[in-house]
Amino acid sequence: GDSVTQMEGPVTLSEEAFLTINCTYTATGYPSLFWYVQYPGEGLQLLLKATKADDKGSNKGFEATYRKETTSFHLEKGSVQVSDSAVYFCALRSSGGSYIPTFGRGTSLIVHP
Amino acid sequence: DAGVTQSPTHLIKTRGQHVTLRCSPISGHKSVSWYQQVLGQGPQFIFQYYEKEERGRGNFPDRFSARQFPNYSSELNVNALLLGDSALYLCASSSPSNTEAFFGQGTRLTVV
Repeated sequence: GDSVTQMEGPVTLSEEAFLTINCTYTATGYPSLFWYVQYPGEGLQLLLKATKADDKGSNKGFEATYRKETTSFHLEKGSVQVSDSAVYFCALRSSGGSYIPTFGRGTSLIVHP
Repeated sequence: DAGVTQSPTHLIKTRGQHVTLRCSPISGHKSVSWYQQVLGQGPQFIFQYYEKEERGRGNFPDRFSARQFPNYSSELNVNALLLGDSALYLCASSSPSNTEAFFGQGTRLTVV
């Protein structure tokens, strides 16, 4: 079945540091890939997405590139802010027609001033 | 446009009780999905409904049930609550033409 593996957290960084959160997946066909962010006490918000190989999703300074050859969708940001502190979830939706995304366990990011 | 709305936002129940959680999807969205998110974990899929029919069911016991109404809103019901049912319950809606799911703020259920 489909699965998503994320790096374990928490990831602790100083403000303006470079961020990478690794995500790899297992799926049949050509899934769509997503990063969601969850701020404390809130639901999930879509951060960015990519629907086919080599697509780059980007939003609010975050980027991720759909790498089919390595089945990866790593999240990056060049300069993090304290306000980026949250839990980040990598997810996929398989190409089989279901609209049910499969989520990773989440990676907590803590950014210190 | 209003996003996905869920009610109530917080709920405390005792073991053995029954609970009903409600979700209104984004206008025009006909698919609603329910997820359970235990603290420190990713969301786990419970149900998906599309056009009032169940389209998918996750690995949850029969104590969990759901339905979708003609206006596409949905209810999640949980019977005989256990302490382990304490979680954030998320509802998401999507349209057939869109690959992404839009989530509500969730209902925080605490079973004591």
